Amino acid sequence: AQTVTQSQPEMSVQEAETVTLSCTYDTSESDYYLFWYKQPPSRQMILVIRQEAYKQQNATENRFSVNFQKAAKSFSLKISDSQLGDAAMYFCAYRSADSNYQLIWGAGTKLIIKP
Amino acid sequence: EPEVTQTPSHQVTQMGQEVILRCVPISNHLYFYWYRQILGQKVEFLVSFYNNEISEKSEIFDDQFSVERPDGSNFTLKIRSTKLEDSAMYFCASSEYPEAFFGQGTRLTVV
Repeated sequence: AQTVTQSQPEMSVQEAETVTLSCTYDTSESDYYLFWYKQPPSRQMILVIRQEAYKQQNATENRFSVNFQKAAKSFSLKISDSQLGDAAMYFCAYRSADSNYQLIWGAGTKLIIKP
Repeated sequence: EPEVTQTPSHQVTQMGQEVILRCVPISNHLYFYWYRQILGQKVEFLVSFYNNEISEKSEIFDDQFSVERPDGSNFTLKIRSTKLEDSAMYFCASSEYPEAFFGQGTRLTVV
């Protein structure tokens, strides 16, 4: 069975600086998708970025980028130029490419932005 | 931009009562899901739904739970006889493969 681990319960960063959130996963599959979701205090789950396992190039969305290391089964999220609105819980999630079924979630990292 | 809509945003119910949580998925999506998140804990998968039937369900999704797509637009989660431990945030999601888009959640409080 697949598992997702986020080892940092909480991270803090100074506004305008860069922070990296860690995620590792375990799977025997070769084809899958990885996601980062943001959950602000409103508790809505918002998709931040997606990575396909078959792509070597790391995904980027504006200030958000990932470092995908398939062999190491690592999928970290880098947030550049951190803003106060980035403060939230961040969840890493895995989905098999074989089906359109469930997402498997990490425990989350709480990101605090210091003004 | 299309979005998933959930109602109500917050529901308080007495233990043993039935509740129905409602969701309107994004219109051209074919896969629908319910997840829950107990306060301070991981997001947990409950059930997925495709082509008018359950495609996958977790151990949490026991006989107390049911899902329905009664009219082609709404997607509902029914909890037949609520327990205190059902208190959680319930998220509906719909999927245009491979991404899942989530509603804003329904906070269910069982007292």
